[in-house]
Amino acid sequence: KAGVTQTPRYLIKTRGQQVTLSCSPISGHRSVSWYQQTPGQGLQFLFEYFSETQRNKGNFPGRFSGRQFSNSRSEMNVSTLELGDSALYLCASSLEGVWGNSPLHFGNGTRLTVT
Amino acid sequence: SQELEQSPQSLIVQEGKNLTINCTSSKTLYGLYWYKQKYGEGLIFLMMLQKGGEEKSHEKITAKLDEKKQQSSLHITASQPSHAGIYLCGADIGSGNTGKLIFGQGTTLQVKP
Repeated sequence: KAGVTQTPRYLIKTRGQQVTLSCSPISGHRSVSWYQQTPGQGLQFLFEYFSETQRNKGNFPGRFSGRQFSNSRSEMNVSTLELGDSALYLCASSLEGVWGNSPLHFGNGTRLTVT
Repeated sequence: SQELEQSPQSLIVQEGKNLTINCTSSKTLYGLYWYKQKYGEGLIFLMMLQKGGEEKSHEKITAKLDEKKQQSSLHITASQPSHAGIYLCGADIGSGNTGKLIFGQGTTLQVKP
């Protein structure tokens, strides 16, 4: 079974721009979660989608948004990029999500650098 | 302060030695997950513990959950260079299931050949 695939692997953007990151979950998984990882704050939850609906949201500004498609693939978007948005963005897929006590399986992440 | 504290922050052990990493929560635990990460890469799922007293093993890694102490421990027996990396615990914590994981800051393990 193929794992969680995130694209692109690396991204360099300028302040003020917007960016879209993509995540293809493991086949059959309906839950997709997004996390931000930085050296200072560690891993922080962004949001979770389940069957195309946002089921849970972390404490991030509205510039961070996401969506999930009918095939469970998910995208997250960050608008008006700030230097502090530089981070490793990790996507995790799961059968039922943390609600359903299913383990999260992570992709290799997208490394975003904002200059 | 961190809601999920890991100790130690870093560890250097000689190959063949045993080691333990602890993860302590300031709130009630609803499921505890252990992951391993190579720097700059994704997290590899190791084990999930749900019930107090539960213990799981995979190869040379054993994890236990002590619900009363709100703590989990990860024990590696006869460490090998392949065990090197960052170990992270993640948990659903709070007054009820939140549906999201809070992670500890990680424990960096180096294994000297």
